[in-house]
Amino acid sequence: GQQVMQIPQYQHVQEGEDFTTYCNSSTTLSNIQWYKQRPGGHPVFLIQLVKSGEVKKQKRLTFQFGEAKKNSSLHITATQTTDVGTYFCAGANSGGSNYKLTFGKGTLLTVNP
Amino acid sequence: GAVVSQHPSWVICKSGTSVKIECRSLDFQATTMFWYRQFPKQSLMLMATSNEGSKATYEQGVEKDKFLINHASLTLSTLTVTSAHPEDSSFYICSAPRLAPTDTQYFGPGTRLTVL
Repeated sequence: GQQVMQIPQYQHVQEGEDFTTYCNSSTTLSNIQWYKQRPGGHPVFLIQLVKSGEVKKQKRLTFQFGEAKKNSSLHITATQTTDVGTYFCAGANSGGSNYKLTFGKGTLLTVNP
Repeated sequence: GAVVSQHPSWVICKSGTSVKIECRSLDFQATTMFWYRQFPKQSLMLMATSNEGSKATYEQGVEKDKFLINHASLTLSTLTVTSAHPEDSSFYICSAPRLAPTDTQYFGPGTRLTVL
């Protein structure tokens, strides 16, 4: 079945440093979505990428979808303590529901003030 | 904005009992909802797709007779964990996609199930 690998598993940074998490799918995706989960909370939708090579920005967050629609990345510029949490990528298989997702294992980001 | 609620937020039960968890979309209709489980410090694993007006579709390895799903209306899906055992203890989360005005999926706050 479809697998979504995400690295790194953990990342600790000093406030102000940049952060990147990477996702790679074993199959071509129809779309990839990114979520943030704070400790004790539930996943919160950040963005959905659909087009090959797509790049989207949300303030300090930059999301990319690879040309082959099999990999994606989330980059945070100048991290802040409010960025702490686990970032998950989740892919939807081509030909299936856009929201039937396979989640990566997540990257836990901690930020030292 | 759109909100998905879950009830209860936490439940503790004895082994062998059944527990029902509700998932509601509060200001939009959802013909499809999804049920996930998440073990501590792990990722979300899709259990099943809940379909309004038809049977749920279960992922491989998920026992449909143990995890009963009923999509009673366009705003309500329920997950019943039957004859719960300690290994069923987990965080259960539902999600519901809303297509308009923005194509977004919303997750419920989750239900923490502890089986003694």
